[in-house]
Amino acid sequence: GQQVMQIPQYQHVQEGEDFTTYCNSSTTLSNIQWYKQRPGGHPVFLIQLVKSGEVKKQKRLTFQFGEAKKNSSLHITATQTTDVGTYFCAPAKFQGAQKLVFGQGTRLTINP
Amino acid sequence: EPEVTQTPSHQVTQMGQEVILRCVPISNHLYFYWYRQILGQKVEFLVSFYNNEISEKSEIFDDQFSVERPDGSNFTLKIRSTKLEDSAMYFCASLGTAFDINEQFFGPGTRLTVL
Repeated sequence: GQQVMQIPQYQHVQEGEDFTTYCNSSTTLSNIQWYKQRPGGHPVFLIQLVKSGEVKKQKRLTFQFGEAKKNSSLHITATQTTDVGTYFCAPAKFQGAQKLVFGQGTRLTINP
Repeated sequence: EPEVTQTPSHQVTQMGQEVILRCVPISNHLYFYWYRQILGQKVEFLVSFYNNEISEKSEIFDDQFSVERPDGSNFTLKIRSTKLEDSAMYFCASLGTAFDINEQFFGPGTRLTVL
């Protein structure tokens, strides 16, 4: 299966600062999904990116899929304490049932 | 909003004992998964299940593991003889259909502690 690497592994920011996590693959991905896991919680689907160069926004969250479909990023503008958690990326198919192979995740902590 | 439920939330067992972790997927979903997460690590795929049979399993899912959908609503993971290294959070997930976007819905997890 396709493997992805996420960086950084940890990120600590002051509330109000921006945050970015990167997801990189050595092979071309069909699609990429992002999940968020709050401390002590379970993964929750955020978004799926499909097209080369795609950019999607959800309020303060901006997701990008690289032109070569080998990397993706999640950027949070002006972090809030509710953004605390671990953000995982996982390669995915657009349709079809498929196991998720998560990256290592980026754990975000925020100083209020 | 429909959700995946799991019981128990925490299971403590002695090494060598059998455990059964239970999940109730979202009612009209067709694809079911078990994942595990060792403390502080990433979420790892164990097994997928469709049409009453395993569709894929990882190398973690050895002969000590089995899954079942006994009654059309529950989806269970059995570990026959637990080992210390089985201690982890176990998540069940479900997916609607193969024609949906591949958004998997995760349950809250069962924390398994093997002593």
